[in-house]
Amino acid sequence: GNSVTQMEGPVTLSEEAFLTINCTYTATGYPSLFWYVQYPGEGLQLLLKATKADDKGSNKGFEATYRKETTSFHLEKGSVQVSDSAVYFCALSERNNNAGNMLTFGGGTRLMVKP
Amino acid sequence: NAGVTQTPKFQVLKTGQSMTLQCAQDMNHNSMYWYRQDPGMGLRLIYYSASEGTTDKGEVPNGYNVSRLNKREFSLRLESAAPSQTSVYFCASLVGTPVREQFFGPGTRLTVL
Repeated sequence: GNSVTQMEGPVTLSEEAFLTINCTYTATGYPSLFWYVQYPGEGLQLLLKATKADDKGSNKGFEATYRKETTSFHLEKGSVQVSDSAVYFCALSERNNNAGNMLTFGGGTRLMVKP
Repeated sequence: NAGVTQTPKFQVLKTGQSMTLQCAQDMNHNSMYWYRQDPGMGLRLIYYSASEGTTDKGEVPNGYNVSRLNKREFSLRLESAAPSQTSVYFCASLVGTPVREQFFGPGTRLTVL
C-alpha cells in the first residue's frame, strides 16, 4: 500500500533561518504529492502540490520538488518567519475509481519559529 | 462561500453516549471525506462518499457510521462512544479538476470520558 514518511518534530528555528522538512513516499503508481499546513486550532490548508516527476510546487516562499528517483518531496523555505509556526503534513494521492484522490498523510512535523 | 463547515467545534461525551458530527460544503463537490487526527499519526480516513447516495469505508471505520444526506451534507455518527474515539475529526470535500485537491473543515475536537 501507499505510505508517507516525514521527519519527526518539533523543528525549532530562529526567524530567517533556512527550513527543510523531509518527506519520502511509497506508492504503487504515479501519485500526486501535496504539502498541507495546519495552523493552531484550524483545519488543514493546501500549501503546494506537484502532479508529476520534476514538477516544483511553490507558494508563500515554500518550495518542494517531486523527485521520482528518490521518492521524495522535501519542503524548503529560505527564510522562515514566526508566522510560519504550524504543523506541516506531506501527503500523496492516487486516483481511486470511487472517490477520486484518496489522500495518504505523513505523521506531520511541527515547526516552531522563534523571534 | 463558507467552504467546508463542521459542527460542533468541541464536544465531551461519556462512554456509551451517541452523537452525530455534522459537515456541510457549499462548493458543489461530489466527494466528501471524514478523517480523524491523532498525535503523531497524521490523518486517517474513516469513511468517504464519492457522490450523493454512496459511502465507503476508509482505513479506520469501526465504531462509526456515516450518512450522505444530500450533495452538501455528510454526517458522522458515533453510536456508542469509547475513549479510543477521543480525537480531532475533520471533514473534507474534493474539487474535481484540474488537480483533485481536498478542502478541509475547521475540525471537531471530541473527548470521550
